[in-house]
Amino acid sequence: DVKVTQSSRYLVKRTGEKVFLECVQDMDHENMFWYRQDPGLGLRLIYFSYDVKMKEKGDIPEGYSVSREKKERFSLILESASTNQTSMYLCASSFSTLYEQYFGPGTRLTVT
Amino acid sequence: TQLLEQSPQFLSIQEGENLTVYCNSSSVFSSLQWYRQEPGEGPVLLVTVVTGGEVKKLKRLTFQFGDARKDSSLHITAAQPGDTGLYLCAGVDSGGGADGLTFGKGTHLIIQP
Repeated sequence: DVKVTQSSRYLVKRTGEKVFLECVQDMDHENMFWYRQDPGLGLRLIYFSYDVKMKEKGDIPEGYSVSREKKERFSLILESASTNQTSMYLCASSFSTLYEQYFGPGTRLTVT
Repeated sequence: TQLLEQSPQFLSIQEGENLTVYCNSSSVFSSLQWYRQEPGEGPVLLVTVVTGGEVKKLKRLTFQFGDARKDSSLHITAAQPGDTGLYLCAGVDSGGGADGLTFGKGTHLIIQP
């Protein structure tokens, strides 16, 4: 059974803190994605990676960075968390960008 | 930028009723995916439709891809409380890249017992 796991389901951080969200997939997929999901705005792509050490900006990369040192692991970093980064963060992976995406359960991040 | 409009945004009906939700665009997609997201979980793929006019059935769910591959519909027969969730459509652009998958904002469906 395919699996995408995320390091935390719920996270509360203070403004200005550095935040790491980690995602691991066990399907040997080339492509991995980070989205945020907000009411009324839907899923918005933050960054994606199509190979180890490769990354591309999505629609809303400002305030975020990513790291992919191993094929199975894709990290999202909030360098200095702000309250407008309070959101649900979803990680996904896929064999190809044209194929279905497998999502993790999400991390609900609250920045106070 | 390709856009997918989903309607209605919210739908609350009684158990046993039928419903249809829509996914529309002015752009042509090479295929279209439907996902369901339950509260507190990530989206899970239900079906992919590829050919214009294609109809796929998944138990009580019927998915149709428009002839021109610009729109799709999801029809649920005899809805059950377990159908409650956020239904997302995602269009695949044959051009590829991350932009190759465009998500709609979803339809929030609540089936009341």
